[in-house]
Amino acid sequence: ETGVTQTPRHLVMGMTNKKSLKCEQHLGHNAMYWYKQSAKKPLELMFVYSLEERVENNSVPSRFSPECPNSSHLFLHLHTLQPEDSALYLCASSQAFSGIYEQYFGPGTRLTVT
Amino acid sequence: ELKVEQNPLFLSMQEGKNYTIYCNYSTTSDRLYWYRQDPGKSLESLFVLLSNGAVKQEGRLMASLDTKARLSTLHITAAVHDLSATYFCAVILYGNKLVFGAGTILRVKS
Repeated sequence: ETGVTQTPRHLVMGMTNKKSLKCEQHLGHNAMYWYKQSAKKPLELMFVYSLEERVENNSVPSRFSPECPNSSHLFLHLHTLQPEDSALYLCASSQAFSGIYEQYFGPGTRLTVT
Repeated sequence: ELKVEQNPLFLSMQEGKNYTIYCNYSTTSDRLYWYRQDPGKSLESLFVLLSNGAVKQEGRLMASLDTKARLSTLHITAAVHDLSATYFCAVILYGNKLVFGAGTILRVKS
């Protein structure tokens, strides 16, 4: 595997379900991100982890819970979601403190909440 | 609050024509990024502009940055159909935080 991978690629869940999105980066980076991309809205930053520590929580509802067990893996745990949470969820990684901060994105998970 | 504005938001152009996409941002930043997204796909990094006056070119695309004017441009030369995609600019707010523009949907017609 190369770059940033995400699983699953597609997910349909009911409002009472609990599921998790997984992201793995194979680039040796030390920062990871979750973004939400909805139709007709700019890309929204949700969470930032740098050196496995959460450094940004962009006013995201508590029904989204991130976890970063190590610098290569990032999870987004989902529970009691709403239909408006349906979106493309993108994971990205970068090398923090490099001065460049270029972010590399995974293919995304298309989430549909029914 | 950093605001990043792109214009136009939608651009339909003929093959072979030239055009420019503009990215304005509201607070000081010296790092700007351009990404491309194809329908249903993820974001692909195109350019990283790290200083005032930076200019980068790749094929038919050229990006520039004017930090004093808080403006970046993405110039398309002799457009071809394969360039049809959504183009995003993004600006570093602080640390690792990128703020994205709304995106410009580009459609190149034969």
